[in-house]
Amino acid sequence: EQLVQSGAEVKKPGDSLKISCKASGYNFAGYWIGWVRQMPGKGLEWMGIIYPGDSDTRYGPSFQGQVTFSVDKSISTAYLQWSSLKASDTAIYYCAREQGGPFDVWGQGTTVTVSS
Amino acid sequence: EIVLTQSPGTLSLSPGERATLSCRASQSISSTYLVWYQQKPGQAPRLLIYGASSRATGIPDRFSGSGSGTDFTLTINRLEPEDFAVYYCQQFASAPPRTFGQGTKVEIK
Repeated sequence: EQLVQSGAEVKKPGDSLKISCKASGYNFAGYWIGWVRQMPGKGLEWMGIIYPGDSDTRYGPSFQGQVTFSVDKSISTAYLQWSSLKASDTAIYYCAREQGGPFDVWGQGTTVTVSS
Repeated sequence: EIVLTQSPGTLSLSPGERATLSCRASQSISSTYLVWYQQKPGQAPRLLIYGASSRATGIPDRFSGSGSGTDFTLTINRLEPEDFAVYYCQQFASAPPRTFGQGTKVEIK
């Protein structure tokens, strides 16, 4: 059971971005996938979750309208997308499998740096 | 939104000592919905405790969790060098967001 995330990204303000999280070793469609933000030197923030089986999505209030979650079941991959990045989006983003509430399997994290 | 407040912010202890970490919720939650994670520098978090007191797979028995209602505790008996890390509590009792506490850093004294 593993989640492998895409590599680090360096972008400019206003750029779009889509990062990925590929699952292996379990039934991808049967578990919620969550996204967690960690800004530099700060704690964990729950961004939201998506159910790959039917793409049902729940966003945290701070992230609603700011990001988009999606999945491609055919390749067991979840995505986190921005249409217009801001410097304040600079952070490490983790995907994680939700097992009835707790996140029991985590990706290694994707570092996103937004700078002009 | 349920707010989780962890204390202390930093705990300075020596190997072999006991660490006691607190997580207080802004409203009562079932212990079923309270979990703890450990995060070491440069690593993703790791699930330690679920259901407030059950150890996740592979977690040593020196880690224990307790509590109910609004007050929850993570105890680490006989600190090992690898236990110095940041610890977070999280709740999933309420509709999203499933909030995290701000973390407690356990550092070597």
